[in-house]
Amino acid sequence: EPEVTQTPSHQVTQMGQEVILRCVPISNHLYFYWYRQILGQKVEFLVSFYNNEISEKSEIFDDQFSVERPDGSNFTLKIRSTKLEDSAMYFCASRKQRRDTEAFFGQGTRLTVV
Amino acid sequence: AQKVTQAQTEISVVEKEDVTLDCVYETRDTTYYLFWYKQPPSGELVFLIRRNSFDEQNEISGRYSWNFQKSTSSFNFTITASQVVDSAVYFCALSEAKDSSYKLIFGSGTRLLVRP
Repeated sequence: EPEVTQTPSHQVTQMGQEVILRCVPISNHLYFYWYRQILGQKVEFLVSFYNNEISEKSEIFDDQFSVERPDGSNFTLKIRSTKLEDSAMYFCASRKQRRDTEAFFGQGTRLTVV
Repeated sequence: AQKVTQAQTEISVVEKEDVTLDCVYETRDTTYYLFWYKQPPSGELVFLIRRNSFDEQNEISGRYSWNFQKSTSSFNFTITASQVVDSAVYFCALSEAKDSSYKLIFGSGTRLLVRP
């Protein structure tokens, strides 16, 4: 069964460093997302990406964040200068074009900023 | 504004008991989609079910069943004869048709602990 793949599973980084989280969505899906889950809290929407551009972003997704689909298969989330409060689980998800389809999530990348 | 409320933060049951997880949603859209996801201790999010707003038929899948009631804006999830492997955090989520990004709005989750 096709699945969304995220790498790395766990990343530890120093405050102020840049990190790139990588995702390979399901191949025939057209909508891509990043969500964040701070430990013990709810899953929060960060950004959606469709047709090679951001379709929507939340207020969490400030200038420190960016997304890219560089080669038609990978989908990356970059945090330019990490802060302690960026420590969270980051989930990538993808969805077919039809609005009534479910989003499939990757296994997540746990980001720890020290 | 859209919102999903899961008032039960944590539920503890003994194996083989039935348990119902509550979900109440708010939306002004007439067409929307409701979801349940399971997050086991390993951390991934596992899709369980999707429901369209125009389909109020309840659904059963093995030990799982879902009760969708538009009149009370609820989409409750029942596990019959619970098992230890059901222990997880369960999230209810909403997606609105008017939202071009089709993003998911999650509730805060209910942690279910099934004791042997």
